[in-house]
Amino acid sequence: DQQVKQNSPSLSVQEGRISILNCDYTNSMFDYFLWYKKYPAEGPTFLISISSIKDKNEDGRFTVFLNKSAKHLSLHIVPSQPGDSAVYFCAASENGGSQGNLIFGKGTKLSVKP
Amino acid sequence: DAGVTQSPTHLIKTRGQQVTLRCSPISGHKSVSWYQQVLGQGPQFIFQYYEKEERGRGNFPDRFSARQFPNYSSELNVNALLLGDSALYLCASSPRDTNQPQHFGDGTRLSIL
Repeated sequence: DQQVKQNSPSLSVQEGRISILNCDYTNSMFDYFLWYKKYPAEGPTFLISISSIKDKNEDGRFTVFLNKSAKHLSLHIVPSQPGDSAVYFCAASENGGSQGNLIFGKGTKLSVKP
Repeated sequence: DAGVTQSPTHLIKTRGQQVTLRCSPISGHKSVSWYQQVLGQGPQFIFQYYEKEERGRGNFPDRFSARQFPNYSSELNVNALLLGDSALYLCASSPRDTNQPQHFGDGTRLSIL
């Protein structure tokens, strides 16, 4: 059974608008959540993370929201740019971001149209 | 600073063969993890090594093994290759601080014929 779920395989957004990528998880022991971006033929690139003691973390155009009661997190990209077009993976860990293994969702392919 | 480097970038093997994949972590990072990513899925954890000791193992058969060297580089070995081992193998490094993210290399694309 998948512990981390990204239920939208794809998302298409107009340049300049907001992109919202969603992720659900089932394991209440997860204490650290990360978002990675992946371009074809490259490895995943770390984007932003959040500890379970917080409900929001912001870095430039990227904001991650965590709703522990709903076991749900989301990544907001504002404004969206064509260069943001990539596959976005949500990941979670029981032991912080560097220790232990990361559990990944299947990814959401974001297309930002000019 | 150089990121995580992996070699080779592509590899073609036949069933039953053995393969060794290599990874050099970011300078100063002492922890290395290996992941397997098959098409349409997210990366799946295989191993984590820290200070040359195995600190975690995912749900992979014993045909998969790894080690970490004194310079913190790492090798992943897979024996008796199966068609299902065809995947992108990713290496990630981290500084071992609890809430620091893992950083990934570009991976080795392994194809089994």
